[in-house]
Amino acid sequence: ETGVTQTPRHLVMGMTNKKSLKCEQHLGHNAMYWYKQSAKKPLELMFVYNFKEQTENNSVPSRFSPECPNSSHLFLHLHTLQPEDSALYLCASSLYTGQGREPQHFGDGTRLSIL
Amino acid sequence: ELKVEQNPLFLSMQEGKNYTIYCNYSTTSDRLYWYRQDPGKSLESLFVLLSNGAVKQEGRLMASLDTKARLSTLHITAAVHDLSATYFCAVDMTGNQFYFGTGTSLTVIP
Repeated sequence: ETGVTQTPRHLVMGMTNKKSLKCEQHLGHNAMYWYKQSAKKPLELMFVYNFKEQTENNSVPSRFSPECPNSSHLFLHLHTLQPEDSALYLCASSLYTGQGREPQHFGDGTRLSIL
Repeated sequence: ELKVEQNPLFLSMQEGKNYTIYCNYSTTSDRLYWYRQDPGKSLESLFVLLSNGAVKQEGRLMASLDTKARLSTLHITAAVHDLSATYFCAVDMTGNQFYFGTGTSLTVIP
């Protein structure tokens, strides 16, 4: 039990589909993150939410749309994806204090395959 | 953009041996993290290093930070099979930027 739960674990979709990834944490954290993990590439930070407000968007294509309705839930809405978007998508959360960020807790990820 | 380089990328070592994984980064940062990832599993936090000269130890793993050299090391003492995993360092920039290294895949051979 990691404390951060991601669903679904696996997702196969066509390029014209629309789907959403879900992330939930009950650790009392106030910051949540989406990462992309591809083979042979470093983990890439996509989005950061602090206190439900998006604070960073690292030049992510608009076909990825995040949503953070509250500090415990985070979504990644997907539409018109490309084959190169096939990867493991990881959600993480952490506590953000005045002294900085505590280590992030990661979910198990959603393995996304684009046909 | 900050660059985080780990070496080696792959490490195969015998049980009982010692080895060090290196993490170099290209600019100043607030703090540095080490994570472990087992195959098919999530990332697990190992250490957070906050200041120059910081040293943290947990079991057979010891991490250190030299902010002047922009270098962190993860030292493995008397390796055991259970330490086989991929180890990542990550650098926390001021603000909301995190940069991960490419990871070091460690295999401990009996």
